[in-house]
Parts: sequence; structure tokens; C-alpha cells
Amino acid sequence: AQSVTQLDSQVPVFEEAPVELRCNYSSSVSVYLFWYVQYPNQGLQLLLKYLSGSTLVKGINGFEAEFNKSQTSFHLRKPSVHISDTAEYFCALGTSGGSYIPTFGRGTSLIVHP
Amino acid sequence: GAGVSQSPSNKVTEKGKDVELRCDPISGHTALYWYRQSLGQGLEFLIYFQGNSAPDKSGLPSDRFSAERTGGSVSTLTIQRTQQEDSAVYLCASSLVISGSYEQYFGPGTRLTVT
Repeated sequence: AQSVTQLDSQVPVFEEAPVELRCNYSSSVSVYLFWYVQYPNQGLQLLLKYLSGSTLVKGINGFEAEFNKSQTSFHLRKPSVHISDTAEYFCALGTSGGSYIPTFGRGTSLIVHP
Repeated sequence: GAGVSQSPSNKVTEKGKDVELRCDPISGHTALYWYRQSLGQGLEFLIYFQGNSAPDKSGLPSDRFSAERTGGSVSTLTIQRTQQEDSAVYLCASSLVISGSYEQYFGPGTRLTVT
């Protein structure tokens, strides 16, 4: 069985401060990892993905994430957040072969204060 | 190009009525997913279609829920005899499932309110 744990349900931060949203996973097979963002009253959109290769992945809007196999983590980071980054962030896991149904974490609400 | 579209964007219905929610995936995407998102909650997987294969219905919460996908494109999620606990946002996503890369493209969702 596979699972995704987003350790923080809510992360408040001030504008222009750095932020890290944590994601840990559990899987017995090779994984693909995704971060999605959901702005209020919208669907989800892909921020970035890790399939293979370089463990540091850069995405849209200045976000990046690092795949750490030994720590089974895929934390999302941004060096300086904006008010417009206020949104819900979801980490998702897929596995090679078998079902193409990703497993989603419960989400982390990023709240950026002026 | 066009993204995933869903209709209606909002639906208010009375308890006990049937509702149909529609999803138009991105052209050429072989996989289609339905999710439910209740207020303040994460994504609850409902059903997955892939090409001509039998759908994976393992997430459907009860036999009041069903879905079909016609011609490998448009999908309809039907909820019969709606209950208040069915109130949620229903999200559809499509994906081009090729080896190793199956990121999903989501529609804006249908907000269902059962009164």
C-alpha cells in the first residue's frame, strides 16, 4: 500500500518570507511525485513533478521541491512568497506500473499575510 | 488549447432528486478521473476510466453513484436519490497516460448543494 502525509494542515507566513511545505510518502516501489496548487474556487493545477533523474525539481511560480529517497520526502519550497501564493497545496504520489490512480495527501493551506 | 471543462459549475438540488454532472476532458487524453472534495477536506477518489478498459469504481461511496464515459471522451457522473452528505465539489481530471508521466489536468469543478 502507498500513502502520502502532508504534515501541516495550515502554514501561515508573511509576504517575502521563505516557506517549506512538507510531504512524506510511503511506497514499496518506485514512485513519481507531484505537487498541485488549488486557488480558491478553482481546480487543481500542476506545480511540478518528479519522475526520475535530478532530485531537485523546479516548477512554476518560483517553487521547487527536492526528492529525498532516504527520508521518503518531497518537500516544496519557495524562497520568497507573495500574497498571490495563498492557496491549498496537494502532494500526490504515483507508482510505476499497475494502477494510474495517484494517491493524494490531505493538503496544506498556505496563508500569506501582508 | 482547451482545458478540462465541467458543467454545471453550480448545482442546487433537493434531497432525493437525481443529478448528472458532466466532464469534457482534454482531447486525446485517455484517462479520466472523478474526485469529490468536501469543505476543507482533501480529494476523495471516486472512479477512473482508462481507454476501453473496465473502469475502476473502487472509490464510489455507494450504489447511488455511477459514471459512464461515452466514446472515450465525455463523462457523466450520476448521483441518484441525493443526500445532504453528497454536498461537495466534484472535480474531474484527465491525463495522457504514457510511461512514467501521468500528471492530471483538472477541471474547475461542479459545486453540488443538496438542500
